[in-house]
Amino acid sequence: NAGVTQTPKFQVLKTGQSMTLQCAQDMNHNSMYWYRQDPGMGLRLIYYSASEGTTDKGEVPNGYNVSRLNKREFSLRLESAAPSQTSVYFCASSERVGTVGNTIYFGEGSWLTVV
Amino acid sequence: GESVGLHLPTLSVQEGDNSIINCAYSNSASDYFIWYKQESGKGPQFIIDIRSNMDKRQGQRVTVLLNKTVKHLSLQIAATQPGDSAVYFCAENRGFGNEKLTFGTGTRLTIIP
Repeated sequence: NAGVTQTPKFQVLKTGQSMTLQCAQDMNHNSMYWYRQDPGMGLRLIYYSASEGTTDKGEVPNGYNVSRLNKREFSLRLESAAPSQTSVYFCASSERVGTVGNTIYFGEGSWLTVV
Repeated sequence: GESVGLHLPTLSVQEGDNSIINCAYSNSASDYFIWYKQESGKGPQFIIDIRSNMDKRQGQRVTVLLNKTVKHLSLQIAATQPGDSAVYFCAENRGFGNEKLTFGTGTRLTIIP
């Protein structure tokens, strides 16, 4: 059971380049999330998708776009990468947003460096 | 401002001993708390959760205690094992839904063989 799978694992970008982080879950979850994790800071929500066809901004959405391609896949795009976007990115999924108590499952992370 | 924080950034415990990891929160409206474990190079993994109408909840070798009076949360790990070495962080839910979770920065637990 793969759970949440995200690619690539590592990426180095030059300032101004664009890239897309891919994420897929096989748990038939309705909701998916993108977080970033920086040293000395907790996980911060970038965007989430409550269900297929919907996306909403989280705490730190600037500089990012997302696409909920279907129920399984949720991608994160950096249109013009900046050094401040150097971070570890985590995709996650859960049965649904809007309630508590349903566990969030995280992917293994994508290490992104912008030079 | 409101925050979720940890009292100790690092903690070393002898294998077999019990460990306690603490977390302070400042939002009295938070009604749900979760502890996560994150091993090096991996994503966070759910350990245990607790709702604000409870003081204590037990899992396998783990216990979470919630003291709403002083806004304090702790994770107790019994009979620690080398595989318990990881960063542990708490999260609080300040509103409806997973999208409202606020995560702490974490405590690194090292188990000494």
